[in-house]
Amino acid sequence: IVLTQSPGTLSLSPGERATLSCRASQSVSKSYLAWYQQKPGQAPRLLIYGASSRATGIPDRFSGSESGTDFTLTISRLEPEDFALYYCQQYGSSPLTFGGGTKVEIK
Amino acid sequence: EVQLLESGGGLVQPGGSLRLSCAASGFTFSDNAMTWVRQAPGKGLEWVSSISSGAASYYADFVQGRFIISRDNSENTVYLQMNSLSAEDTAVYYCAQRRQWLEYWGQGTLVTVSS
Repeated sequence: IVLTQSPGTLSLSPGERATLSCRASQSVSKSYLAWYQQKPGQAPRLLIYGASSRATGIPDRFSGSESGTDFTLTISRLEPEDFALYYCQQYGSSPLTFGGGTKVEIK
Repeated sequence: EVQLLESGGGLVQPGGSLRLSCAASGFTFSDNAMTWVRQAPGKGLEWVSSISSGAASYYADFVQGRFIISRDNSENTVYLQMNSLSAEDTAVYYCAQRRQWLEYWGQGTLVTVSS
């Protein structure tokens, strides 16, 4: 399954709402989609699994949703620490695949 | 606290081999699948291999029989034996807990394949 993330870069200000898209080339079994955040020089961190379940310790400003083969990560109000790279990943079928990433940068 | 600590990376010549290790703590290792993911410099994330709690192994197509994943539950460690390395294998290699969504990640170990 190919995952296409858009936009490639999102330029926003702190306090604004961020909407990140991940489109799958085919149906993702059982909503088996996750989102990760990665900052420079760090390992990825799990944010969302099962398309909409927040991982342990993730603030509720992060939310995930799906509509068919379209998945969305929403950050309701950007905090300074949220400016980073975000990846989606499907685990509904083998091989596991990741999207190409969306960079959220400070405007 | 879950901790995953990779080691074994370094500089290797094309055609060479390396064995990566990932020492786990803070959870019941034997009950969990483990996964290796890599990230080439400036690039995105790429799944490499996973091993189930029962030691069933899974590989990305590009591995083509060159890599072997294994685990030692007595040492709480997962390994990735990498053979016939090429420049395209240059990347940071991360180990992660689970083989569906990847709950926790190590800090990664850099593998550089160059002459």
